[in-house]
Amino acid sequence: AQSVTQPDIHITVSEGASLELRCNYSYGATPYLFWYVQSPGQGLQLLLKYFSGDTLVQGIKGFEAEFKRSQSSFNLRKPSVHWSDAAEYFCAVGPYGQNFVFGPGTRLSVLP
Amino acid sequence: EPEVTQTPSHQVTQMGQEVILRCVPISNHLYFYWYRQILGQKVEFLVSFYNNEISEKSEIFDDQFSVERPDGSNFTLKIRSTKLEDSAMYFCASSESPWDTQYFGPGTRLTVL
Repeated sequence: AQSVTQPDIHITVSEGASLELRCNYSYGATPYLFWYVQSPGQGLQLLLKYFSGDTLVQGIKGFEAEFKRSQSSFNLRKPSVHWSDAAEYFCAVGPYGQNFVFGPGTRLSVLP
Repeated sequence: EPEVTQTPSHQVTQMGQEVILRCVPISNHLYFYWYRQILGQKVEFLVSFYNNEISEKSEIFDDQFSVERPDGSNFTLKIRSTKLEDSAMYFCASSESPWDTQYFGPGTRLTVL
């Protein structure tokens, strides 16, 4: 069965610093990979997705993620974090024709 | 930009009562989903729905749960007899196809007392 792990439960970075959130998945074939962000009390907003092709994908709000098949990873990055990026970030795997499986989430705090 | 909407934003109910959570998916989407997120935990899949039928459901989606598309725009989740452990945020999502991005609504927070 597919699974998603996000090793970091909580990350704190200073505003302006770079960010990398880790995501590892377990799935027998090439998965469809997603990053969603959830601000406090809000729904899930899609940041970016990977289906196929270029393994470096660009998303909204200056985020990018890189799919590394050899490492079964899909890490999210941002070169310079803004205070408004403080939120919960969820990595998800969505194999064709099946439901999404979400990781446990990483809570990002941003220091001024 | 089209979006998924959900009503109500917050529902408080007594244990044993029935609740219906409503969702309006994006209009040209054909696949619909319900997920839930217990406070502080990860988002969990409940059920997917296509062509007026359940496509897939998780072990969470027991006989207390049902889904319906009563008309051309709404998609509902009914919990027949709520339990304390049903307290959670319930998210509706929709997609154009089963391999496409799922777009999520803002959620309904269900509190069972």
